[in-house]
Amino acid sequence: AQSVTQLGSHVSVSEGALVLLRCNYSSSVPPYLFWYVQYPNQGLQLLLKYTSAATLVKGINGFEAEFKKSETSFHLTKPSAHMSDAAEYFCAVSRVGGTSYGKLTFGQGTILTVHP
Amino acid sequence: DVKVTQSSRYLVKRTGEKVFLECVQDMDHENMFWYRQDPGLGLRLIYFSYDVKMKEKGDIPEGYSVSREKKERFSLILESASTNQTSMYLCASSWYRGLDGYTFGSGTRLTVV
Repeated sequence: AQSVTQLGSHVSVSEGALVLLRCNYSSSVPPYLFWYVQYPNQGLQLLLKYTSAATLVKGINGFEAEFKKSETSFHLTKPSAHMSDAAEYFCAVSRVGGTSYGKLTFGQGTILTVHP
Repeated sequence: DVKVTQSSRYLVKRTGEKVFLECVQDMDHENMFWYRQDPGLGLRLIYFSYDVKMKEKGDIPEGYSVSREKKERFSLILESASTNQTSMYLCASSWYRGLDGYTFGSGTRLTVV
């Protein structure tokens, strides 16, 4: 069964600092991996996805993530945080097999705070 | 742009009421999902539908049912609302294999009193 662990339920950075949000996955088959962002009182928006092409994936708003099979990780980074990046971020892995195909398992979320 | 529309942003219902949460998508997606979101627990899948009239239980289906009579509409039903069903409910849709990810609605915050 697939699972996702996000390390750190809260991350705080200064504006202009590096953002690093950690995600480790467990999957018995090559996974498809996603990062979503949720702004207050809104639904989730897709930031980026890994679907077995390039291991370094670029997304919207300057975010990127690197798939590392040996570490079973898919960490999200942004070189320079902006106040507008403050939100909750979710990592997800796609389930595979039978009618599970297409269902996502989500991590518990990481709340990113950006302070001036 | 694919849009997923949830009929209500905020709902307040009484214990024991039957509650309907409606979700409509406009991109002809095969798959539709209902999740609930609670602090510290992330998103948990309630029900999933991969075709009209087809449904599958998710991880926490107890106390819920669903209906999908048309491809674009997926309804979540709380048969007899209880206070522990107070939560944020998120609807999502995707293509059949889901490999492009989901498109989410804005959510319905349900309070059961």
